[in-house]
Amino acid sequence: EAGVTQSPTHLIKTRGQQATLRCSPISGHTSVYWYQQALGLGLQFLLWYDEGEERNRGNFPPRFSGRQFPNYSSELNVNALELEDSALYLCASTPTSGGSPGTQYFGPGTRLLVL
Amino acid sequence: QKEVEQNSGPLSVPEGAIASLNCTYSDRGSQSFFWYRQYSGKSPELIMFIYSNGDKEDGRFTAQLNKASQYVSLLIRDSQPSDSATYLCAGYFGNEKLTFGTGTRLTIIP
Repeated sequence: EAGVTQSPTHLIKTRGQQATLRCSPISGHTSVYWYQQALGLGLQFLLWYDEGEERNRGNFPPRFSGRQFPNYSSELNVNALELEDSALYLCASTPTSGGSPGTQYFGPGTRLLVL
Repeated sequence: QKEVEQNSGPLSVPEGAIASLNCTYSDRGSQSFFWYRQYSGKSPELIMFIYSNGDKEDGRFTAQLNKASQYVSLLIRDSQPSDSATYLCAGYFGNEKLTFGTGTRLTIIP
């Protein structure tokens, strides 16, 4: 069974640009979570999508947005990039909504560097 | 603000000894807790979860939850060099998301 996949693995952008990160969940998983892991700050919850809808969002500005497609894959967009957006962005999926979101399966991440 | 706190370490433990990782949380209404392991440069992977007060054992790993004292711990028996990683504690507080601690870096010394 294929795991969670993310693309690209690395992304280099300059301040003010936009970044698009992609995630494909494990087959059969409907929920996708996005996290930001900056150095020394741990995993910060960004967004949760389930069945195509945004279900919850963390304490991030509106320039962080995303969507979930009918095949449950997801996209994270970061507009007007700032230097502090440099981090590892992790996507995770879970089998169903409504249950505990703790059993999450993580992808390898996209490392975003903003210059 | 529901928070989960961990000592960032590093925690160094001799090979074969017991490694004890601790986590405290601020919300008495918390429901369940999860321990993830993250190797350097890799993504987190779930090791254990615990919902009820007391101990839960899985192989060399034991998770402990004390809701009255608001702490969670992970014990690793017979520590191996391959256990060297960052361990993330996460709590689910019923708000449809996980809240992660900053992680404890564990080093097993051969």
